[in-house]
Amino acid sequence: QKEVEQDPGPLSVPEGAIVSLNCTYSNSAFQYFMWYRQYSRKGPELLMYTYSSGNKEDGRFTAQVDKSSKYISLFIRDSQPSDSATYLCAIFGNEKLTFGTGTRLTIIP
Amino acid sequence: SQTIHQWPATLVQPVGSPLSLECTVEGTSNPNLYWYRQAAGRGLQLLFYSVGIGQISSEVPQNLSASRPQDRQFILSSKKLLLSDSGFYLCAWSWGQGLEKLFFGSGTQLSVL
Repeated sequence: QKEVEQDPGPLSVPEGAIVSLNCTYSNSAFQYFMWYRQYSRKGPELLMYTYSSGNKEDGRFTAQVDKSSKYISLFIRDSQPSDSATYLCAIFGNEKLTFGTGTRLTIIP
Repeated sequence: SQTIHQWPATLVQPVGSPLSLECTVEGTSNPNLYWYRQAAGRGLQLLFYSVGIGQISSEVPQNLSASRPQDRQFILSSKKLLLSDSGFYLCAWSWGQGLEKLFFGSGTQLSVL
């Protein structure tokens, strides 16, 4: 079993829709949870960072962590074509950072 | 503010040729530096990391090596490239205290033919 599992997609939704991206993880020692956004042929950029269960909101983005289920989510409200990118979850624990494989998202105008 | 520069953006090299990719960070001192490789559908694989000048840790055995000749300079090298070295290479840095927040360069797409 992989330490971090992420549905690779691709995922296509119409502009304005709510997007839900998810990852599961296996190690309960994982402490910090991040989402990176990566545009085509660019390096990933840190989008959201959290270390506790619950929700963290930043503009149209909400990161949700459920440690009891080992499940993390990223919600994008009022999705825009500029949100089209690959989204990678990343989880830190035991001095190790583990990335998901990324979900490719396309917002259709 | 901190910035990270990585070049070149694209590189096409023949099998057996040498490689040198360079990365520099500005606006911070004593950063942790990292080289990752990203393959389609396989996520980000950590290749090397460095916590200081001359200090290199390798995560996986491979045909590549890394060096850190200056505090904010990180170099990825190979003496003889293999076809399997093709991929998207990313340099990243983090604050000295933690790995949990990484800041990436723009990447180098390497094609070995």
